Amino acid sequence: AQSVSQHNHHVILSEAASLELGCNYSYGGTVNLFWYVQYPGQHLQLLLKYFSGDPLVKGIKGFEAEFIKSKFSFNLRKPSVQWSDTAEYFCAVTIGDSWGKFQFGAGTQVVVTP
Amino acid sequence: DTEVTQTPKHLVMGMTNKKSLKCEQHMGHRAMYWYKQKAKKPPELMFVYSYEKLSINESVPSRFSPECPNSSLLNLHLHALQPEDSALYLCASSQVALTDTQYFGPGTRLTVL
Repeated sequence: AQSVSQHNHHVILSEAASLELGCNYSYGGTVNLFWYVQYPGQHLQLLLKYFSGDPLVKGIKGFEAEFIKSKFSFNLRKPSVQWSDTAEYFCAVTIGDSWGKFQFGAGTQVVVTP
Repeated sequence: DTEVTQTPKHLVMGMTNKKSLKCEQHMGHRAMYWYKQKAKKPPELMFVYSYEKLSINESVPSRFSPECPNSSLLNLHLHALQPEDSALYLCASSQVALTDTQYFGPGTRLTVL
C-alpha cells in the first residue's frame, strides 16, 4: 500500500516564481518526514526534515516545509526559485516507531527555466 | 566528512556471473542501507543493517545477498541476476536506522545482460 504520495510528477516554472510541492502520507500515528533532492548528476541529499516540535521547518537553499497533522501533509515551499533548483524532489516518510516502514514518494521533477 | 563511497561506478554482468557491490562510510554511522532505483522512479528500500545486523529485508530475492563485515562497510553480493535487475543501486548510511537523515552514495549503475 502506498504510504506517501506526491501529487505533482512534473513542474515547470520560471526563475523567481514560487514553488510548492505537495506530499501526503497515510498513517495516523508517529511519522518522521523528509524532503530529499537529487540535482542532475549528483547524490540524493537531504533538504529538510521534521521529527517533532515547530511544524514549520526550514532547510537548506531557502526551502521550507510545513507539517499539517490534520491534513497528513508535509508540503515543500520556496518563495523564489532559481535555475539551480532544477532537480528531482522526493518526499520520504518513516511510518510508526523504531522499525516502522520507510518509503519515498514517487518524486517530482522540477524544471526552472531562465 | 559526509561521504558515502560506492564501487564500482558501473558494472555489466551476465546472468550466470557472481559479482559484488561495495559501500563504505567513515561517519561513524551505525545504520546502512541498500536501495534499488530504476529510471524515473524513486529509490526502493532493499535492506537495512543496524549495528552490523540485518534488520530489514524488504522481500528481496535471494539472488541479492547483503553483508556487513564491519560498521563502515556494506557489500551486496549478486548471483544469477535477471535483466530486470538492471538499475542504479544506492547505498546510504545514517546515525540511527530509518528515523534519521540518510547520506547517500553516488550509486552503482548495474546492467545485467
